[in-house]
Amino acid sequence: DAGVTQSPTHLIKTRGQHVTLRCSPISGHKSVSWYQQVLGQGPQFIFQYYEKEERGRGNFPDRFSARQFPNYSSELNVNALLLGDSALYLCASSLDGGETQYFGPGTRLLVL
Amino acid sequence: EDQVTQSPEALRLQEGESSSLNCSYTVSGLRGLFWYRQDPGKGPEFLFTLYSAGEEKEKERLKATLTKKESFLHITAPKPEDSATYLCAVETTDSWGKLQFGAGTQVVVTP
Repeated sequence: DAGVTQSPTHLIKTRGQHVTLRCSPISGHKSVSWYQQVLGQGPQFIFQYYEKEERGRGNFPDRFSARQFPNYSSELNVNALLLGDSALYLCASSLDGGETQYFGPGTRLLVL
Repeated sequence: EDQVTQSPEALRLQEGESSSLNCSYTVSGLRGLFWYRQDPGKGPEFLFTLYSAGEEKEKERLKATLTKKESFLHITAPKPEDSATYLCAVETTDSWGKLQFGAGTQVVVTP
């Protein structure tokens, strides 16, 4: 079975630009969560979606937004990029949000 | 405020030299504690979930245990392929689905 997939794998943007990251969950999983991981730290929770509704939001500015589609895939959008947004962005899926979360390989974002 | 602290930050082991990693937590109510393994530049790989004090889980050379204030990940007779960063995360009863991670322990196993 395919695991969680994310695209693109790497991305380079400049300050002020906008970025869209994509995630496809494990087949049968209805919940997707997004995390940001900066070098040397553990992942930080950004959003969780379940059945296309936002179930949780972490301590991130309104420049960060997300949505979940009817096929349970998800997009994370970040506007007005800052240098500090450079990180590994991880998507995780779970059956219903409260079970074990399985992570994708991540998207490495570099903001110049 | 909920906190998750992992120690040590880094650990260098000889092949076959067993050791333990610590994850201490201060949370309002624990729903579950999770261990993940992360290789450089990759996403975390799920290892174990523990739900209640006294619970133990094993997988190959890894064994995870849980008390009311901390969890240990024991690595028995490690091999070089066990080199990775090991992450601990908690889910609390009032933050359903939100994992709060520690900073991780970087383990290097030399032949």
